[in-house]
Amino acid sequence: DAGVIQSPRHEVTEMGQEVTLRCKPISGHNSLFWYRQTMMRGLELLIYFNNNVPIDDSGMPEDRFSAKMPNASFSTLKIQPSEPRDSAVYFCASRLTGGSTDTQYFGPGTRLTVL
Amino acid sequence: TQLLEQSPQFLSIQEGENLTVYCNSSSVFSSLQWYRQEPGEGPVLLVTVVTGGEVKKLKRLTFQFGDARKDSSLHITAAQTGDTGLYLCAVPPIQGAQKLVFGQGTRLTINP
Repeated sequence: DAGVIQSPRHEVTEMGQEVTLRCKPISGHNSLFWYRQTMMRGLELLIYFNNNVPIDDSGMPEDRFSAKMPNASFSTLKIQPSEPRDSAVYFCASRLTGGSTDTQYFGPGTRLTVL
Repeated sequence: TQLLEQSPQFLSIQEGENLTVYCNSSSVFSSLQWYRQEPGEGPVLLVTVVTGGEVKKLKRLTFQFGDARKDSSLHITAAQTGDTGLYLCAVPPIQGAQKLVFGQGTRLTINP
């Protein structure tokens, strides 16, 4: 079975540009999480969805960040406009909430560099 | 202030040695998870501990949850180069929460 799929794997953009990161969760999972990882701040939760509905977006740093989940198999994280301090690795994870385990499965991440 | 403090931040040892890394907090948690993250990949769950004093073994890895459920340790016996990675502990910030809060991690390097 395919795991969590993220695209692109690497993104280099210039300050001020719009960036869209994409995630396809594991089929059948009903919770989706977006994280950001930096050396300084570690792995931080940005937002998570249950059944496509945003539940907790308290980790979203600014209004420049937005996330959507139009259906159970796709989510996007958008940064507009991007800034150099947004440079990080962004992870998507999915989980079957209410299942027999509480395991979150992480994707391989998108490494974002904003120049 | 970090909810979880992991120590040491960095550890570099020779293959075959034993090591222990720690995850500490002043708060009590209903459960605690350990993840390993290899370069260029996302974290992968190793274990979940839920009972105070619980010990779980995964081959050469031994995980212990503190009696008061405030801390945990991970002990690796006879470390191998394949154990190299970032070890993260994570907890639900409140009981029943679906989200996780992660520690800063211990970056472990096993030298051949």
